[in-house]
Formats: sequence, structure tokens, C-alpha cells
Amino acid sequence: NAGVMQNPRHLVRRRGQEARLRCSPMKGHSHVYWYRQLPEEGLKFMVYLQKENIIDESGMPKERFSAEFPKEGPSILRIQQVVRGDSAAYFCASSPRSTGQETQYFGPGTRLLVL
Amino acid sequence: DAKTTQPPSMDCAEGRAANLPCNHSTISGNEYVYWYRQIHSQGPQYIIHGLKNNETNEMASLIITEDRKSSTLILPHATLRDTAVYYCIVKDGGATNKLIFGTGTLLAVQP
Repeated sequence: NAGVMQNPRHLVRRRGQEARLRCSPMKGHSHVYWYRQLPEEGLKFMVYLQKENIIDESGMPKERFSAEFPKEGPSILRIQQVVRGDSAAYFCASSPRSTGQETQYFGPGTRLLVL
Repeated sequence: DAKTTQPPSMDCAEGRAANLPCNHSTISGNEYVYWYRQIHSQGPQYIIHGLKNNETNEMASLIITEDRKSSTLILPHATLRDTAVYYCIVKDGGATNKLIFGTGTLLAVQP
């Protein structure tokens, strides 16, 4: 049973380019969460999505960041016009449901480096 | 902000039990205590969770005090591979489901 998959594992972008990070949840999971970990810091929640719906985006920066989880295919975290401060590890997690004691399982992360 | 307080670091001898404490004095009735660990910038790994009762699985045991204001994660026989940052997280049992990570405890298992 495959776990949460993220690709690419490493991504290098120049300032002003776009970054697209992909997350495939575990089989049977329809809830996806994105977290960001800046260098030497803890993980910070960004956004929570169900299929075709954004449920909680309270941790998303107001500009340049967007997320989607279409009916078919992986969840995408998109960062437009990247800046050096976007350099971080981005982790995706998934769960089967959102209520009660649903455990989130994390992927290996995407390390974004902005030059 | 995280609702938990953990010591920043701890040492443990290989083969001995590692006991990691966590304070969550403001926990409310429907909030669970979760433990994750992160081994050297890998993705966080789920360990265990509980509400009121003590819990045990193949990885660890979780001891929650009767007033639920603190808990202890126990790794019964620590190995070098258990060196990691351990996060204690209090999570609402409701719909939001987001995890709020604190700074965690860096457990260093010594040979």
C-alpha cells in the first residue's frame, strides 16, 4: 500500500519563476493538507483541501500561493513568481476523513530552492 | 500557536527507555494528544495518539495523566535510528483537523 507521494523531491527555481508541487494522497484518502517548513523552523500549516474544495486556507500567504485538489489527479501547490524566502521544504499529508481522530500521514516532502 | 510545551532536547542511551514529556495544561475535553517525529528533515512520521486512556502500539506507549494536562511518550528500547525531533500536538477532534507543530524535543540516542 503506497504511502503519500510527492514530486518532485527537489526543485530549483530562479526568482520570478513558477513552482508546482504535486501530492498524491494514500489510496482511499480524500483529504489533503499542505505544510511548509522553513530552514531551522517547525512545520506550519498552509491549507486543507478535499476533492475539488478548499476547506481551510488560513495558513496560505495572501499572494502568489494557490492550491487545488481536482476530482482526478494529484493535489497541486502552486507558487507564482517565487522569491528567495519561498525556499523551504513543503510537506503534504493525507487522511481518509477529517473528523474525530483521523490521523494524517505525511509524504517525503519537496525541497524548493530559489536562486 | 502550539498548545504544548516540550523540553528542547534530551539524551538517551541506546537500549534504554526514552521518556519524552509534554505539557498541555490548556487541553480541552475533545482534543487529542498526537505524537509525530521527524528524522533529519524527512516527512513527519506518525507515532501514536490518545484522548484519555493510555495507549500502546508497536512503536511506543503514550501515558496521559488523569487530568490530561500532561503526557509522556515512551520508546521502550531506544535505538540510534530513533534519533529525531519529537512533536507533541494537541488536535481538535472537530472538522478543522490541522496540526499545529511546536518546536518539539530533539532526542539524541547515544551509543
